[in-house]
This record gives sequence, structure tokens and C-alpha cells, in this order.
Amino acid sequence: DTGVSQDPRHKITKRGQNVTFRCDPISEHNRLYWYRQTLGQGPEFLTYFQNEAQLEKSRLLSDRFSAERPKGSFSTLEIQRTEQGDSAMYLCASSLVNNNYGYTFGSGTRLTVV
Amino acid sequence: KQEVTQIPAALSVPEGENLVLNCSFTDSAIYNLQWFRQDPGKGLTSLLLIQSSQREQTSGRLNASLDKSSGRSTLYIAASQPGDSATYLCAVEEYGQNFVFGPGTRLSVLP
Repeated sequence: DTGVSQDPRHKITKRGQNVTFRCDPISEHNRLYWYRQTLGQGPEFLTYFQNEAQLEKSRLLSDRFSAERPKGSFSTLEIQRTEQGDSAMYLCASSLVNNNYGYTFGSGTRLTVV
Repeated sequence: KQEVTQIPAALSVPEGENLVLNCSFTDSAIYNLQWFRQDPGKGLTSLLLIQSSQREQTSGRLNASLDKSSGRSTLYIAASQPGDSATYLCAVEEYGQNFVFGPGTRLSVLP
């Protein structure tokens, strides 16, 4: 395990459908973060986990969004009743608690809602 | 609330030039500052991490400096190459908080 893996790489869905993304962090990293990035902007924080506990959620994370990290390893991000405004790149990152080495990001999942 | 800005928004230079990208942040009580590179449609690749006790970090042709008191960091790229073309993102972390990103500088190095 040499990096953060995200699946799928691309997802096209019709408005109103539910989608789920998966992130597998670096195995020894106990923190996992979800960010969203729209075209021409920097990533915006959505939520993060330390082990299995979800410690912080941004106000960007509406009630249609839910994230889990059930065993403190991989994480899923689900978007219910997708809207066109949800179209973005969803990025996952992981780090150690003391974060002396910074964040390691995955390749992202690009969501297009049509 | 921490805000991060980056100047310039876009930069186009001929190959071989040395260049400087700028990052400013509003709250100087930061824990880490990290520079990333992002190729179009791709994820983020970490370039350099500067901890709050450090003033600079170097990796190959890249040098990043940090001045907490003035709320600034610079990324210096020496002898630029076409392969350096990408968006460069600066992110700052306050203790116990998540990283806050700037909007990025889009760099084009022309052969």
C-alpha cells in the first residue's frame, strides 16, 4: 500500500440518483479527510475522521451527504438525490494524527450529474 | 476564519526561467504549510511541507519559504521545464484543524 486509492475515478449520474464513493487511505494513517473541488477553485473541506470517529463536518456537507469509516480503515462518501451543483472532483486524503508529514491525496473521483 | 490567497492566478514563462509563486494567509498561528501540484483532472501531489518551526524546505529545483509573522510563503522553481506546467496549490493547517487551500496558480512553461 503506497498511496491513497479512490474508486471510481469517474462517475456520471442522473439528477436525483444516489452515488457512493470509496477511499482507501495509507494503511498506517489514522486520519482521513474528504474535500470537494470545483473547476478553477482550490479544494474545500467537507469532513474528516480520526480512526472511525467523524470529528468535524463542514457546513458544505448538507443532509444529503453522509460519510462513514466503519472500521477505521476505508471510508465511503454517499450523496443522496444528487443535484447538478454536486458536480465536482471529490478528493480523499489521509495523514497521521501528528501530521508531521502532511496530507497524502488520492487521485479523486470526478462526479458529473446530468 | 483562515483565508488563503495566491498570486498570480496564472503565469506563463519560457523554459529555463526561474520563477516565484506567492501564497498569503490571514491567521499566522499555523501548524503546517504544504505546497501541492495538480495536473488537469488529477489529484494533488505533495511537493513540500514546512512545519511551523521551519523557515524553508528544498526538494530538487523547488524551494519553499515560510514567514509566519507576515503570513506569507513563496515557492521558488529554478530552471523551469515544460513538465512543470500544472496548477500549484498552497494549503495551511492550524493546530487541530484541517488544511485550508488557496485557489492555486496555473503555470504554463513554454518550450
